[in-house]
Amino acid sequence: QKEVEQNSGPLSVPEGAIASLNCTYSDRGSQSFFWYRQYSGKSPELIMFIYSNGDKEDGRFTAQLNKASQYVSLLIRDSQPSDSATYLCAVNESNSNSGYALNFGKGTSLLVTP
Amino acid sequence: DAGVIQSPRHEVTEMGQEVTLRCKPISGHDYLFWYRQTMMRGLELLIYFNNNVPIDDSGMPEDRFSAKMPNASFSTLKIQPSEPRDSAVYFCASSPPATLLNEQFFGPGTRLTVL
Repeated sequence: QKEVEQNSGPLSVPEGAIASLNCTYSDRGSQSFFWYRQYSGKSPELIMFIYSNGDKEDGRFTAQLNKASQYVSLLIRDSQPSDSATYLCAVNESNSNSGYALNFGKGTSLLVTP
Repeated sequence: DAGVIQSPRHEVTEMGQEVTLRCKPISGHDYLFWYRQTMMRGLELLIYFNNNVPIDDSGMPEDRFSAKMPNASFSTLKIQPSEPRDSAVYFCASSPPATLLNEQFFGPGTRLTVL
């Protein structure tokens, strides 16, 4: 069973601060990495994806990938109370028939306090 | 675009009853996924289809669970007989034809409670 590990939190940060969310994975063959945001009682929605080592920035979000360390992270700059949600890390399953299956972590709960 | 549609949104049933969950994927998407989410186990992939054909059902917990996709616009997940440990939120997701970004779009989910 391929593992995707996240700290469950809650991670509490003050408004305007940087929130740092981390994820490790065990499948060395994985090539695609995703961050989903899930508000309480709602369905997951994709906010970032990354395929190559290094950083990828999109607005206030930056995804970081280190395949050698099997580590992916999400930084949220200028955190807002509306960012309070659970953040799910997802990694493609390398040995699935098409590589389309995703393994999800259990998520990190983020709370941004005003 | 309507997004992924799931029904019912909530289902309460008694142990031993048959439960059928339904999903309509986004038009033009040829991948469909069924997930189950619980606090203990997180989001688990149960089965996925490509062009209506089941590709990987290794996540289906046991023979009580079955899934079908008779056409490109409809899929069902059936539990027979249901048990209290099946209580969870069941999500359906769909994905467009193979691209580098295999973004999955999730439906609103069905909250199942088995008493």
